[in-house]
Amino acid sequence: NADVMQNPRHLVRRRGQEARLRCSPMKGHSHVYWYRQLPEEGLKFMVYLQKENIIDESGMPKERFSAEFPKEGPSILRIQQVVRGDSAAYFCASSLGVDTQYFGPGTRLTVL
Amino acid sequence: GQQVMQIPQYQHVQEGEDFTTYCNSSTTLSNIQWYKQRPGGHPVFLIQLVKSGEVKKQKRLTFQFGEAKKNSSLHITATQTTDVGTYFCAGKIGAGSQGNLIFGKGTKLSVKP
Repeated sequence: NADVMQNPRHLVRRRGQEARLRCSPMKGHSHVYWYRQLPEEGLKFMVYLQKENIIDESGMPKERFSAEFPKEGPSILRIQQVVRGDSAAYFCASSLGVDTQYFGPGTRLTVL
Repeated sequence: GQQVMQIPQYQHVQEGEDFTTYCNSSTTLSNIQWYKQRPGGHPVFLIQLVKSGEVKKQKRLTFQFGEAKKNSSLHITATQTTDVGTYFCAGKIGAGSQGNLIFGKGTKLSVKP
């Protein structure tokens, strides 16, 4: 499958639990971006990674959120001690170079 | 901070009417991209504009990039129900791998049959 893959597609967590969101970029893409989208709102940039490096994390909350893109395996967005306000759709996108981004189907996180 | 403003936020049209969404940046852009997100779906890349004054067409869709590379528009002629969705512009500020895309908040288009 050549598309950007994200899993799980839907994730339900209780307050205080951890959420792990995975993103497998399109084959050959080494640039990964994470975005958050609240209902009826636009995409908010969170973090931009290249293999093993965080290039720009200016959109990521300083606490509880972290991201990685290891040499092998998918990129992971990790949210510790989730709160209700973390409920949103989280999209990852990948690109070959620095331009056109191809989006995955998203993970819809619900915090109870 | 750097912003990309998009208007209108919502647009309701009758099928067959035209539709336009506008995107404005406070900063000169190196390029601008347009994406479409269907309800419940994910953003899908439509097009990229790079040159000052560039105009590109895709069937009923016309994309323009302003002369100053600070604004852009997407125009749909004779809308159809399949055009329903949210249209996002995304401006690239800065060159090379350090330049990030900044998305507008999108224009949500609804089409009444």
